[in-house]
Amino acid sequence: GESVGLHLPTLSVQEGDNSIINCAYSNSASDYFIWYKQESGKGPQFIIDIRSNMDKRQGQRVTVLLNKTVKHLSLQIAATQPGDSAVYFCAEKKGGGNKLTFGTGTQLKVEL
Amino acid sequence: EPEVTQTPSHQVTQMGQEVILRCVPISNHLYFYWYRQILGQKVEFLVSFYNNEISEKSEIFDDQFSVERPDGSNFTLKIRSTKLEDSAMYFCASSLRTGETEAFFGQGTRLTVV
Repeated sequence: GESVGLHLPTLSVQEGDNSIINCAYSNSASDYFIWYKQESGKGPQFIIDIRSNMDKRQGQRVTVLLNKTVKHLSLQIAATQPGDSAVYFCAEKKGGGNKLTFGTGTQLKVEL
Repeated sequence: EPEVTQTPSHQVTQMGQEVILRCVPISNHLYFYWYRQILGQKVEFLVSFYNNEISEKSEIFDDQFSVERPDGSNFTLKIRSTKLEDSAMYFCASSLRTGETEAFFGQGTRLTVV
C-alpha cells in the first residue's frame, strides 16, 4: 500500500542555523512530492513541490531534495527563523488527480 | 489576500446527531476538498468535489458523510450520525485547477463528539 512517513517527530534548531527535515515514501508511482507547513491553530500551507523526474528544487530559503533510489525526500530551510516554527508535512500526489496523501509530520522548534 | 474560511471554529455535538461543517472556498477556485486530522495524527483526505460532483473519495468517506455546494459560495460537509471517532479537526481546501499541488486550506473546524 502507499504510505508517506517522517523519520523524526521533533527537530530543534538554533535561530540562524539551517534545518533539514526528512521524509520517507513508499509509493514510487507518485508524480509529485510536496511540503506543507502547519502553524499552530491553522490549516496546512503549501511550501514547495517537486516533480518525480527532478532531484532538486529551490525556493525562497527552502530547497527540496528527492532521492528516488532510496525513496527519500528532504526539506532544507536556510537561516531558520522563529517564524519557521511549525509542523512540517510531506505529501505526495499522483499526476492528474487532486488527492494529497500526507505523512505524519515533524515539529520544528526554533530556539533563540 | 483571498482565503478559505470555515465556520464554526469549534463544534461540540452529541453522538448520533447530525452536523454540518461550512466552508467558503476562494471565489475563483473550481476544486474543493475536505480533509480531517485526528489530534496528533496526519492529515487525511476525505473527498474532492468538482462541477457539483464528487470526483474522488477515501474509504473514510462512507455513507454517513455527504458534501454539497448549495450556492455559488458555500461548500458543506455533513455527517449524518456522528460517532465518537469522528472527533477531529476538519479542513476545507480549494484549488484553482485540477492537478494542483498547492491547495489552499482553511483554518479548520474542530469537531468534538461527546
